[in-house]
Amino acid sequence: GAVVSQHPSRVICKSGTSVKIECRSLDFQATTMFWYRQFPKQSLMLMATSNEGSKATYEQGVEKDKFLINHASLTLSTLTVTSAHPEDSSFYICSASLLGPTLQPQHFGDGTRLSIL
Amino acid sequence: EDQVTQSPEALRLQEGESSSLNCSYTVSGLRGLFWYRQDPGKGPEFLFTLYSAGEEKEKERLKATLTKKESFLHITAPKPEDSATYLCAVQGPVGGYQKVTFGTGTKLQVIP
Repeated sequence: GAVVSQHPSRVICKSGTSVKIECRSLDFQATTMFWYRQFPKQSLMLMATSNEGSKATYEQGVEKDKFLINHASLTLSTLTVTSAHPEDSSFYICSASLLGPTLQPQHFGDGTRLSIL
Repeated sequence: EDQVTQSPEALRLQEGESSSLNCSYTVSGLRGLFWYRQDPGKGPEFLFTLYSAGEEKEKERLKATLTKKESFLHITAPKPEDSATYLCAVQGPVGGYQKVTFGTGTKLQVIP
């Protein structure tokens, strides 16, 4: 149980292109989804938290207009990197969790390797 | 601000050689500490949640323990398939916000 699917797994595109990444919880309803960025040999850096049907909460320093997040249903969240540039190249990972009476762990997708040429 | 420090940064073990990974943390009111395993090019895979000091959890060759300041992940008689990066993370008090703070991980290599 608790499977999170992330698509695509890898994207290579030209500078200025917008890229959309999908994150789906396959066997549970995710009240909250998270988007992270991970650099080599560094920890997961939280970019934003999204709750179904409401606006995402962005971490300090993350541009809202650059990284558009939509959480339209309890099983799907999307991250759109708008007008991507080489400095946006990174490993992006989503996670999802249930909100319950006890603390619930986050379950992660397999990430998207974004390379901007 | 919550902080998580993991050591060592990298660990190389012979198959069957038991060892421990350390996760030191500072958080204002721990709700839970998580251990994850991450393989190269993949997302983290959930292993354990620990809620309070003195708690222990086991899964196959892995055993996680928790004190008020740190957590240990003990690996007994590891096998090459245990090679991965192990991440520790903490979650602070309830506040309508579920932010989890991650450490940078310990990269474990088990040599046959």
